[in-house]
Amino acid sequence: EAEVAQSPRYKITEKSQAVAFWCDPISGHATLYWYRQILGQGPELLVQFQDESVVDDSQLPKDRFSAERLKGVDSTLKIQPAELGDSAMYLCASSRGSVQETQYFGPGTRLLVL
Amino acid sequence: SQQGEEDPQALSIQEGENATMNCSYKTSINNLQWYRQNSGRGLVHLILIRSNEREKHSGRLRVTLDTSKKSSSLLITASRAADTASYFCATPRADGLTFGKGTHLIIQP
Repeated sequence: EAEVAQSPRYKITEKSQAVAFWCDPISGHATLYWYRQILGQGPELLVQFQDESVVDDSQLPKDRFSAERLKGVDSTLKIQPAELGDSAMYLCASSRGSVQETQYFGPGTRLLVL
Repeated sequence: SQQGEEDPQALSIQEGENATMNCSYKTSINNLQWYRQNSGRGLVHLILIRSNEREKHSGRLRVTLDTSKKSSSLLITASRAADTASYFCATPRADGLTFGKGTHLIIQP
């Protein structure tokens, strides 16, 4: 069964350092999402891609976060510089088409900023 | 901001019992989805119920939707230890899913 891949699974970094997370969606899925989940909370959307285009990044803190999906397949989320409050689980999800459809989530990257 | 809110926040039951958790949301929807998350892992889609459906079943899961009350419920029958997880309801908006804070379910052996 096809799955969404994410790496790394865990990342520990010091504040002010740069970090990057990678996501490979299910083959054929046009829509890709990045979510951030703080411990004890539900996931919150950061950015949505449709193929290689950003559909919505209004929740992405653009002073330090950036996301790209250059060829419309895999995607990278970057934080520079990392802050203590960025410690969270970063989840990637994909779906075939519209936001109304089922989303398939990867295992997530747990980030700890010291 | 979070659209859905699950209730209760935590639930502990004995193995074999049924577990019911509820979700309330604020705006009109096309569908509502339930996801499960095991500790420290990604989310797994459980079931999607459309706004014109009132009830849907999948194995030991039963989901209801009352659009007049803007609420949904998830029933897990004959619970098992493996059902221990957090359960989230989610509603689609233009840019993605909006999740509640979840119900943390513990199944006692």
